[in-house]
Amino acid sequence: QITLKESGPTLVKPTQTLTLTCTFSGFSLSTSGVGVGWIRQPPGKALEWLALIYWDDDKRYSPSLKSRLTITKGTSKNQVVLTMTNMDPVDTATYYCAHHAYGPIDAFDVWGQGTMVTVSS
Amino acid sequence: DIQMTQSPSSLSASVGDRVTITCRASQSISRYLNWYQQKVGKAPKLLIYAASSLQSGVPSRFSGSGSGTDFTLTISSLQPEDFASYYCQQSYSTLTFGGGTKVEIK
Repeated sequence: QITLKESGPTLVKPTQTLTLTCTFSGFSLSTSGVGVGWIRQPPGKALEWLALIYWDDDKRYSPSLKSRLTITKGTSKNQVVLTMTNMDPVDTATYYCAHHAYGPIDAFDVWGQGTMVTVSS
Repeated sequence: DIQMTQSPSSLSASVGDRVTITCRASQSISRYLNWYQQKVGKAPKLLIYAASSLQSGVPSRFSGSGSGTDFTLTISSLQPEDFASYYCQQSYSTLTFGGGTKVEIK
């Protein structure tokens, strides 16, 4: 059974850097075709894809946020870390990580519960 | 970037109704189109991948169709548990989601 869980601060100040960790189980990020992505959702608004890292360490970013984002595999084999610099109140959102099945499915087929991040001074 | 436009943005329907949601891509994406359902306060759930393939465990009243730029998600007989928001997402190039469709009780 695949599970994912996001962790990180619930409150950050403007201009600070946000670091979120996705801890997963039930799959290996070393397996061909596997990826982990980050998606966010401001309150009452639509989903927005942020970043995706694949089993071979290929990394993809949203063009509009690329300069602020870094996605990496964590020091633990079952973690993925997302950093977002220069946080602004408009970045207030629920941040989700999700398992990405590259290949026949090519979609986010399992999601974490999400973590709410508020940007405020 | 490929823009994904969903319509309508919201709709009201009754239990038992047939519901159709449309998603249009700004350029051809072949069949690289996925549909998700999101209930209030919950994470999205994958319903349909590759335009028309039903994800394991998803009821057969959900179906998807389309290719190129125009896609539809159909719920053949709306059930109480289907009242939720629905999002399309393209995986042809840099990933993008549609703006969502909220299905409400009439």
